Amino acid sequence: LAKTTQPISMDSYEGQEVNITCSHNNIATNDYITWYQQFPSQGPRFIIQGYKTKVTNEVASLFIPADRKSSTLSLPRVSLSDTAVYYCLVGDYSGNTPLVFGKGTRLSVIA
Amino acid sequence: NAGVTQTPKFRVLKTGQSMTLLCAQDMNHEYMYWYRQDPGMGLRLIHYSVGEGTTAKGEVPDGYNVSRLKKQNFLLGLESAAPSQTSVYFCASSYGGLAANEQFFGPGTRLTVL
Repeated sequence: LAKTTQPISMDSYEGQEVNITCSHNNIATNDYITWYQQFPSQGPRFIIQGYKTKVTNEVASLFIPADRKSSTLSLPRVSLSDTAVYYCLVGDYSGNTPLVFGKGTRLSVIA
Repeated sequence: NAGVTQTPKFRVLKTGQSMTLLCAQDMNHEYMYWYRQDPGMGLRLIHYSVGEGTTAKGEVPDGYNVSRLKKQNFLLGLESAAPSQTSVYFCASSYGGLAANEQFFGPGTRLTVL
């Protein structure tokens, strides 16, 4: 499985846009990039997934450059409720190898 | 739909005691997983199942056993609890293959071993 590297922590003020970048230099052709969000005392939840270019949903946007060796999760105008740990994972749909959750990026939103 | 549920929510054990954690899902998912999460750490996979009657080891399987007798249930057993197994345990399920398919997580079980 492609290994991912992301910052351990980030701080942001309310109302700002937050960008969390994940590196995955050895991503394979069939791999997708998936982000999960985990609030304190809860299990993670899927927030967005992409293969290339840009994906947007009601929660976030995911930017993936042409070489796919990195990706950026963008959270527009964060609020205190966006304080959470964000995990970047890389893997495909066909294999039977489980995902590996790293330590993620702990985002703290400050009023 | 309840999604993924876990029983119990909290438990305190003494060293050497045994217990079973129950995970149930009502989404007809083939794949189920057990993770543990220690303070400040990410999730580490203990065991997983790719279908009824199957189980496989994850990253940290030692000290745990699992069973998947029914498609909707995945049980995690601790035969002889140790303080190192103090953790929050999460169960998850997914429809398809392990890596890219969305995993749905339960609320967690907080286990303390004294």
